[in-house]
Amino acid sequence: EIVLTQSPATLSLSPGERATLSCRASQNIISYLAWYQQTPGQAPRLLIYDTSNRATGIPARFSGSGSGTDFALTISSLEPEDFAVYYCQQRVSWPLTFGGGTKVEIK
Amino acid sequence: EVQLLESGGGLVQPGGSLRLSCAASAFTFSSYAMTWVRQTPGKGLEWVSVFPGTGTSTYYADSVKGRFTISRDNSKNTLYLQMNSLRAEDTAVYYCARGRGPSIWYFDLWGRGTLVTVSS
Repeated sequence: EIVLTQSPATLSLSPGERATLSCRASQNIISYLAWYQQTPGQAPRLLIYDTSNRATGIPARFSGSGSGTDFALTISSLEPEDFAVYYCQQRVSWPLTFGGGTKVEIK
Repeated sequence: EVQLLESGGGLVQPGGSLRLSCAASAFTFSSYAMTWVRQTPGKGLEWVSVFPGTGTSTYYADSVKGRFTISRDNSKNTLYLQMNSLRAEDTAVYYCARGRGPSIWYFDLWGRGTLVTVSS
């Protein structure tokens, strides 16, 4: 099973600041990584797939990068609605796995 | 409106069974992989099972293999999850979600979830 480790667990930032979230895989997952956003009481929302492709309707301030085992999600300038929990997910092998999440909270 | 709506959750005793349903609307259901993902209250996401949009191969997390069965009825635009031999650790909100294609395991449309509580 591929383990995805997200860091930090919590990121405390102010609106307008840049956020960088990390996801590290226990094995090479090439570029088969997605990022999801989840706000309280809501279902997850797909933000990024295959490392760097934004899903439909996702603003350009969200970007993804990386390859192999190290990946990052960057939010260039935090908007109030971006304070949420973010999960990474790999699809290179079974079972599909998610990271433990990074909570982006208002400082 | 393109949407997924889960139903069938509730309170069940350990060892019991439950069947979840997920009704799809306004898209060509048969063309997409469909999955179940669960989330323990206050915790992270755990993938449970997936049914591709083509073929009949299904996949399961080890934690549910042999106890849960995923199925779909394309004529009814509905995905199912039959859950048997339920355990306390199966307590979670269960989401159904749509794959980005018939065999693309990223999920771009999610339901609101249905809560399953396993307790005596």
